[in-house]
Amino acid sequence: NAGVTQTPKFQVLKTGQSMTLQCAQDMNHEYMSWYRQDPGMGLRLIHYSVGAGITDQGEVPNGYNVSRSTTEDFPLRLLSAAPSQTSVYFCASIKTGSTDTQYFGPGTRLTVL
Amino acid sequence: KNQVEQSPQSLIILEGKNCTLQCNYTVSPFSNLRWYKQDTGRGPVSLTIMTFSENTKSNGRYTATLDADTKQSSLHITASQLSDSASYICVVSVTYKLSFGAGTTVTVRA
Repeated sequence: NAGVTQTPKFQVLKTGQSMTLQCAQDMNHEYMSWYRQDPGMGLRLIHYSVGAGITDQGEVPNGYNVSRSTTEDFPLRLLSAAPSQTSVYFCASIKTGSTDTQYFGPGTRLTVL
Repeated sequence: KNQVEQSPQSLIILEGKNCTLQCNYTVSPFSNLRWYKQDTGRGPVSLTIMTFSENTKSNGRYTATLDADTKQSSLHITASQLSDSASYICVVSVTYKLSFGAGTTVTVRA
């Protein structure tokens, strides 16, 4: 299994540009989520999905959209990038149970100029 | 205010020594408490998962403890190695909603 994969690894955007961060998992996990990690702060939940066709907002959803058309893929879209969205983004997945291991992708480092 | 507070923010220890990291939380009730290790430039990796009824859980040289009465958890690293240099993150979850601490950065020096 490849686990959780994310692309790209690095990205630089100009203010106002849009882009999609890709996330895929091959473990047949139902629950997937997107986090952002900023210096000195814990990971914060952006959006999550409990299965194909079902998504919901997390703690910091503004400026981001998600969709879940398949179990495997959970892309994160930045609609109009802002400098405040400069961060490291992690995608994660978990099978279903409350004691299941959560797996994280390697992260995408995004800089918005 | 963050519902999961970790201390210290960072620490430096000599190779072979032990250390203990602290986690205080206000999330209640919760499903489980997790500890993750995050190497620089990588995603977090799960170390331990404890339900509210468990007091201790080990993973090799890592031992996590949980006191649900005082809402405290600790992660003890025994006989530290250079590869233990990383950030250690405490996470409290209520079903799928996870609250992350800011982490403790551990640096192991030879």
